[in-house]
Amino acid sequence: TQLLEQSPQFLSIQEGENLTVYCNSSSVFSSLQWYRQEPGEGPVLLVTVVTGGEVKKLKRLTFQFGDARKDSSLHITAAQTGDTGLYLCAGARGAGKSTFGDGTTLTVKP
Amino acid sequence: GAVVSQHPSRVICKSGTSVKIECRSLDFQATTMFWYRQFPKQSLMLMATSNEGSKATYEQGVEKDKFLINHASLTLSTLTVTSAHPEDSSFYICSARPLTGDPYEQYFGPGTRLTVT
Repeated sequence: TQLLEQSPQFLSIQEGENLTVYCNSSSVFSSLQWYRQEPGEGPVLLVTVVTGGEVKKLKRLTFQFGDARKDSSLHITAAQTGDTGLYLCAGARGAGKSTFGDGTTLTVKP
Repeated sequence: GAVVSQHPSRVICKSGTSVKIECRSLDFQATTMFWYRQFPKQSLMLMATSNEGSKATYEQGVEKDKFLINHASLTLSTLTVTSAHPEDSSFYICSARPLTGDPYEQYFGPGTRLTVT
C-alpha cells in the first residue's frame, strides 16, 4: 500500500505567520499534486510537481518535490485568513489512481 | 478550463430509496473519472475508478452492487446509491482526468452532500 503521511494534521496560526506542511512517503511517485479544499466544496488543484528537486511558486505558496520523489512540502509565506482550508497532497504512479494524504487543516486567525 | 460539475449538490432521501449523482466534465473529455467519499475533517477515500465504456473498478470494501457506477460517455459518469441507509450519509466527490494533457492530474467536482433519514 502506498501511504502518504501529511504533517501536521492540524495547524492554527495568526495572520502574517509562515508555515510549512509536509507530505512524506516511502514510495516513489511519478508526480505529486497539492490541493486546497474549503468546507462543502471539492478540492481545487494548486500545483503538480513531477521532477525530483523541483520547486514551484504560486504567489505566496512554494511547493517542493523531494530529490527522490518520495516527499513534498508546501510553504506559505505571510499567511492570510483566505488561506484557511484543508490542504491535501496526492501522489500518482503513472496514469492510474492517486493516493491521497490524510490532509492538513489550516486555520489562519485574523 | 477543466470544470467539473456535480448534480445535485445536496440531496435528502429516505432510508431504502436510491439516489443518483451525476458528474460531468463541462469543457473537456475524460476517459477516467473517480468517485470519492469524504467524512468531516478527513481526507478523500477513493471508492471506484470509472472508465468510459467499461465496468468500474471498485476499491476493496466498497460494495459494487450498492454503489452502481455508469460511465456512458466521455463527459458523464453517474453514481447510484441503492437502498440507501443512514450510514451512507456522506459527502461524495467525483473527479475527472482529461483525455489530453497531463496524465497525472484530475479535476474535482464541487461534491454532493447526501443525507439519508
